[in-house]
Amino acid sequence: DIVMTQSPDSLALSLGERATINCKSSQNILYSSDNKNYLGWYQQKPGQPPKLLIHWASTRESGVPDRFSGSGSGTDFTLTISSLQAEDVAVYYCQQYYSSPVTFGGGTKVEIK
Amino acid sequence: EVQVVESGGGLVQPGGSLRLSCVVSGFTFSDWWVTWVRQAPGKGLEWVANINEDGSQKYYVDSVKGRFTISRDNARNSVSLQMNSLRVEDTAVYYCARGRATLVFWGQGNMVTVSS
Repeated sequence: DIVMTQSPDSLALSLGERATINCKSSQNILYSSDNKNYLGWYQQKPGQPPKLLIHWASTRESGVPDRFSGSGSGTDFTLTISSLQAEDVAVYYCQQYYSSPVTFGGGTKVEIK
Repeated sequence: EVQVVESGGGLVQPGGSLRLSCVVSGFTFSDWWVTWVRQAPGKGLEWVANINEDGSQKYYVDSVKGRFTISRDNARNSVSLQMNSLRVEDTAVYYCARGRATLVFWGQGNMVTVSS
């Protein structure tokens, strides 16, 4: 199974600051035939199901604010929140769907300082 | 509007059985894979099982193989997860979601507690 490792486990930032969450896969998840990274990012707020923010490592879902961006390729990926808002307090998970079973990272909790 | 609604959770003793159901609406159900994901209390997300559009392909995480069975009824827009030989470590909120990999639509989740 592909292991997804996120860092940090948590971070606390002031409103308006940039948040950076890292995700590393134990194997390459860039599929050479279509040049796509099989990686998604989810946001989960307390008491709610996860919400898909980004797929193919950098494609934002419809309706997701443009302060959220994804980058990276191969085994190293980043989710960036360019200017942290109060409503962004949540746990963020990366997910690989390159191979079965689909696996998630352990999550990064984002809080307001 | 897409809706995903799970039901069937509850408290069960170790070794017992439970059947979760997921009923969906708002899209052509038979065009989509369906996935079950679980989340133990205070923990992260774990993919559990999924099933393809016509039910001919089914996949499970190793920890539930031989104990859980996923099935679907396209006439009723529903998917079920039959859980047998339940263990304490199966305690979690179980989510049903549309899709195979990128999961856009999720239910609100159903709590399964395995405890004596």
